[in-house]
Amino acid sequence: ETGVTQTPRHLVMGMTNKKSLKCEQHLGHNAMYWYKQSAKKPLELMFVYSLEERVENNSVPSRFSPECPNSSHLFLHLHTLQPEDSALYLCASSQQHRGPSNSPLHFGNGTRLTVT
Amino acid sequence: AQSVTQLDSHVSVSEGTPVLLRCNYSSSYSPSLFWYVQHPNKGLQLLLKYTSAATLVKGINGFEAEFKKSETSFHLTKPSAHMSDAAEYFCVVSDPSGNTPLVFGKGTRLSVIA
Repeated sequence: ETGVTQTPRHLVMGMTNKKSLKCEQHLGHNAMYWYKQSAKKPLELMFVYSLEERVENNSVPSRFSPECPNSSHLFLHLHTLQPEDSALYLCASSQQHRGPSNSPLHFGNGTRLTVT
Repeated sequence: AQSVTQLDSHVSVSEGTPVLLRCNYSSSYSPSLFWYVQHPNKGLQLLLKYTSAATLVKGINGFEAEFKKSETSFHLTKPSAHMSDAAEYFCVVSDPSGNTPLVFGKGTRLSVIA
């Protein structure tokens, strides 16, 4: 149990579907993150929320839309995705965003997304 | 700007033999450095962290890493591999102020042969 829970674990969706990924952290952390993990590529930071405010958006296409209703929950809304968006999507949290010595990230187990 | 290079994409060792996973970094600052491990179908878990205290850092599961500024390296070692160590390992660099995002390496897949 990592303290960060992601649902669903697996998701298959067509290019015209709309779906959402959910992340919940039980660690009392103030920052939450979405990462994309594709084969043979480094982890890509997508979005960062600190105290429920989006602080980073790393040139992510608008077909990915994050939502952070409170400090414990993070969503990633998906619509009109492309096959190249198939990947493992990882949620993470940390005590604080940035600051001295970077608080370590705590990751969920990810959602394996397949776009057909 | 910062970067991290994991020199081997795949390392294979026999159970009970030493493990060495290599990582070199580039940073304008004296960096913070991390190793994370990812087991199959799991998220990443922090193994250990260097933040300018002792240069030899001990982590979980018997792993340790040594910060060598002269070689810009932060290699991960373990004296004796166990089957449960088979996983993907990521070296990560950050500036110590935390004002820039973490930079992840591409990962090294460790296989342990019985």
